Amino acid sequence: DAGVTQSPTHLIKTRGQHVTLRCSPISGHKSVSWYQQVLGQGPQFIFQYYEKEERGRGNFPDRFSARQFPNYSSELNVNALLLGDSALYLCASSLADLITDTQYFGPGTRLTVL
Amino acid sequence: AQSVAQPEDQVNVAEGNPLTVKCTYSVSGNPYLFWYVQYPNRGLQFLLKYITGDNLVKGSYGFEAEFNKSQTSFHLKKPSALVSDSALYFCAVRDRMDSSYKLIFGSGTRLLVRP
Repeated sequence: DAGVTQSPTHLIKTRGQHVTLRCSPISGHKSVSWYQQVLGQGPQFIFQYYEKEERGRGNFPDRFSARQFPNYSSELNVNALLLGDSALYLCASSLADLITDTQYFGPGTRLTVL
Repeated sequence: AQSVAQPEDQVNVAEGNPLTVKCTYSVSGNPYLFWYVQYPNRGLQFLLKYITGDNLVKGSYGFEAEFNKSQTSFHLKKPSALVSDSALYFCAVRDRMDSSYKLIFGSGTRLLVRP
């Protein structure tokens, strides 16, 4: 079975631009979470979605937004890019919305902001 | 506040020797604990988790972890290290009191297994 997939793999943008990152969860998984991993640090939580509803939001500015579609795939949008947004963006899926569920991560999208 | 500490930036071990990667946590309630491994330019791979029950948890690739409530620790262990175990290891905690069920990660420990 395919794991979590993310697109694109790499992305280069300039300051002020907008970016959309995409994620497809493992088949049958209904929850998707997004994390930002800055070089040399652990991932930081951005959003969690379950059944198309936002279930949690991390300490990120309103420039960050996300949504989940009826097929459970998800998009992360970042507006007005800053240099500090350069990071690996990780998507994770889990079966449902249970606290015991394991989150399985995709390979990530490497975003570079120039 | 919820937090995870991985006190060692890097752990060096010879192939065939036992390895330990340390993790301590702080949460308001009872924790759920996880270990993930990250290879270069890759996402995170799940190794194991502690939810409840036996304090010794067995996971993928021969790894295991021991939950110690009194010391608020969840150290990752393997009896015999392989060169292929060399990677970045992350400990994560989920607080039962947090409705978002987000994972809070440590800063990571780089494991280097020398031949």
